[in-house]
Amino acid sequence: DGGITQSPKYLFRKEGQNVTLSCEQNLNHDAMYWYRQDPGQGLRLIYYSQIVNDFQKGDIAEGYSVSREKKESFPLTVTSAQKNPTAFYLCAVSVQGFNQPQHFGDGTRLSIL
Amino acid sequence: GIQVEQSPPDLILQEGANSTLRCNFSDSVNNLQWFHQNPWGQLINLFYIPSGTKQNGRLSATTVATERYSLLYISSSQTTDSGVYFCAVPYGNNRLAFGKGNQVVVIP
Repeated sequence: DGGITQSPKYLFRKEGQNVTLSCEQNLNHDAMYWYRQDPGQGLRLIYYSQIVNDFQKGDIAEGYSVSREKKESFPLTVTSAQKNPTAFYLCAVSVQGFNQPQHFGDGTRLSIL
Repeated sequence: GIQVEQSPPDLILQEGANSTLRCNFSDSVNNLQWFHQNPWGQLINLFYIPSGTKQNGRLSATTVATERYSLLYISSSQTTDSGVYFCAVPYGNNRLAFGKGNQVVVIP
């Protein structure tokens, strides 16, 4: 959806390396989310933030970290503790919370070298 | 948590055909969303539909909340309709439960 920018499109990680995925939005929405999608599967929630300087763990937060220092930005770091990071990562936003429509960025594909 | 089941899991359509995708959910919900993921991975929000029927071009959706299901209709399908269709419902105060999707392939 327009207004949500994820970068990079493709990312490769070496063993033991942390990598950071960017998600920026210019829609002035309060809530932002990170999802992971594995091949042939639905989406699983990693982290979400409903307001600046606050974020909550989702269902699969282990091995990931986030920050929300600005309303428009919600970066996701995949740490070396995440043993199986190869997946498609999607960032989403909504006006406020889970009861409102979510709109997604184009995603980042992360692979292990 | 809430269970979301989509059927059929896979569908092959001839261009121009109509189809219906179904989403069943196991508990009461106050809204439902339908998404389309194209072959390049882009996920587009098609409908936010708590109840009733909405239409957007060749697509329409109906949610019957009291019977815990929603239907997505694709009419006069085109090759650009190919991809995976997901439905999602909120549960608790802080989760969106996604179904596993309907994989649709439209052949010319």
